[in-house]
Amino acid sequence: AQRVTQPEKLLSVFKGAPVELKCNYSYSGSPELFWYVQYSRQRLQLLLRHISRESIKGFTADLNKGETSFHLKKPFAQEEDSAMYYCALMGQGAQKLVFGQGTRLTINP
Amino acid sequence: NAGVMQNPRHLVRRRGQEARLRCSPMKGHSHVYWYRQLPEEGLKFMVYLQKENIIDESGMPKERFSAEFPKEGPSILRIQQVVRGDSAAYFCASSPRRELPYEQYFGPGTRLTVT
Repeated sequence: AQRVTQPEKLLSVFKGAPVELKCNYSYSGSPELFWYVQYSRQRLQLLLRHISRESIKGFTADLNKGETSFHLKKPFAQEEDSAMYYCALMGQGAQKLVFGQGTRLTINP
Repeated sequence: NAGVMQNPRHLVRRRGQEARLRCSPMKGHSHVYWYRQLPEEGLKFMVYLQKENIIDESGMPKERFSAEFPKEGPSILRIQQVVRGDSAAYFCASSPRRELPYEQYFGPGTRLTVT
């Protein structure tokens, strides 16, 4: 079964502090992993995908196949990072995304 | 490009009525996905359509739900005889090519409330 788990519904950190949003997945095979973000009053949008290995808005995420994790990290949080973050996977050859429950990140000034 | 459009944004229906949700994909996109988000949960895949074809409906409830994406016009998600448990946010996404399924551009969603 394909499953994505984000153990934290809410996460609050101070501006300038490091941020880590946890994501664990269950999939028998090699999935593609993604992070999506939804800022207040905006649409859900793709933040980054593991294959591209990019840093977007200072965020990075490393796929750890041994721990089946894909945690999202940023060394210094900014107030504009406050948003809802969803981890998602797409199975091999699949067209659909499987989302986690989401984590609401709040950056305090 | 206005992005993916969904209407209505809010829809209130009484139990037993029908709900019709519309999704206009981005210009040039011929692939449409519907997701449902129940309260306090993540988005769950319902159906994937291309123009005039249902490709994957593995996430659709077996009864009362149907979807179409005609040659002309928006994609429609239809829920017959709605029940309280259908209350949710319904999101549509579109993508330009089958080869890039992760490039899904999401609409603002339709919030359905069943009273």
